[in-house]
Amino acid sequence: QKEVEQNSGPLSVPEGAIASLNCTYSDRGSQSFFWYRQYSGKSPELIMFIYSNGDKEDGRFTAQLNKASQYVSLLIRDSQPSDSATYLCAAPMDSNYQLIWGAGTKLIIKP
Amino acid sequence: DVKVTQSSRYLVKRTGEKVFLECVQDMDHENMFWYRQDPGLGLRLIYFSYDVKMKEKGDIPEGYSVSREKKERFSLILESASTNQTSMYLCASSLATHQETQYFGPGTRLLVL
Repeated sequence: QKEVEQNSGPLSVPEGAIASLNCTYSDRGSQSFFWYRQYSGKSPELIMFIYSNGDKEDGRFTAQLNKASQYVSLLIRDSQPSDSATYLCAAPMDSNYQLIWGAGTKLIIKP
Repeated sequence: DVKVTQSSRYLVKRTGEKVFLECVQDMDHENMFWYRQDPGLGLRLIYFSYDVKMKEKGDIPEGYSVSREKKERFSLILESASTNQTSMYLCASSLATHQETQYFGPGTRLLVL
């Protein structure tokens, strides 16, 4: 069965530094991944979708997919206190429209 | 912008009550999902629907049922609420293509006493 794994954290990063969040997956056939951000008490919101090997950049966020090593990362440059949240990684299932979710990594940006 | 709304942000019910949670999306999405989220357990899929009147069980369907009579509306029903159903309930919707983004509603925090 496909699995997506994340370190639950918390990951503490000083303001202005680069935050690096990682996600590993069990199925070599996985082709794409989502990164969602979830603030405490709120619902998840999409940050990035990546479907090819290499990097995808959007503002301060960069998603990296390494299919050979079966991991996907999210880098946040110039971290801000407003980036403090739980970050969820998800991969589409092959057979239907469901997503397989990681448990999320809690990120704390310290001023 | 996609908009997914849920009928209540907070709900308090008594054990044994029948509870209805409603979700409405305005983007003509085919797929709709109900999740619950508990600390340390992440998002767990209860049910999803890929078309009107169509539904499939997720990972934890026990104690729940769903209804989708119209494309835009997906209801979650707790037939007889129990304290272990105290949780955050999240509805999501997506288009009917593989790898489509799921868009979430604001969530309903349910407390069963």
